[in-house]
Amino acid sequence: DQQVKQNSPSLSVQEGRISILNCDYTNSMFDYFLWYKKYPAEGPTFLISISSIKDKNEDGRFTVFLNKSAKHLSLHIVPSQPGDSAVYFCAASARNTGNQFYFGTGTSLTVIP
Amino acid sequence: DTGVSQDPRHKITKRGQNVTFRCDPISEHNRLYWYRQTLGQGPEFLTYFQNEAQLEKSRLLSDRFSAERPKGSFSTLEIQRTEQGDSAMYLCASRYHLGETQYFGPGTRLLVL
Repeated sequence: DQQVKQNSPSLSVQEGRISILNCDYTNSMFDYFLWYKKYPAEGPTFLISISSIKDKNEDGRFTVFLNKSAKHLSLHIVPSQPGDSAVYFCAASARNTGNQFYFGTGTSLTVIP
Repeated sequence: DTGVSQDPRHKITKRGQNVTFRCDPISEHNRLYWYRQTLGQGPEFLTYFQNEAQLEKSRLLSDRFSAERPKGSFSTLEIQRTEQGDSAMYLCASRYHLGETQYFGPGTRLLVL
């Protein structure tokens, strides 16, 4: 069963505009969430994370929002740059019940110059 | 380079052969994870080590798979009697025991002919 879902396989955005990538989860025990960026033939690169005690975390152009009641998180990239074109994965873990991280299926972002 | 390293980066083998992959985590990271990623999917958890102890194994890890971390530093993942369905990217990640984030290596891409 897919406990972390990314329902949009792809997204195209104009350079300079905002990119919004969405992620939904089903397990209410998840309390730590991460976003990774992946280029072809490379491993995922950590981007930003958020703990369930927060609803927002910001790092430069990247902001992650968490809506616990909706079991939904989103990654905002603003302004989007062509170098942001990659596959983005969200991941979740339940820190007190195990060490496994559960990943979504990814969203391929293309930023058009 | 102080990141997670994996060797080899690519492996082509014939069905029925055994293969072994190596992962060197970030030094001082006592937690080490193995994942498998197939096309169009996110990384799927295989197994987890804390120091030299293998504490969690996914049901994806059939008895043809074995992982070790003999001295609590590098780890190996062996697949015996490979099958075409084993073709995937095998990712290793490490994590500091006081941190929340996993850092991934570049992966080993396996192709079973």
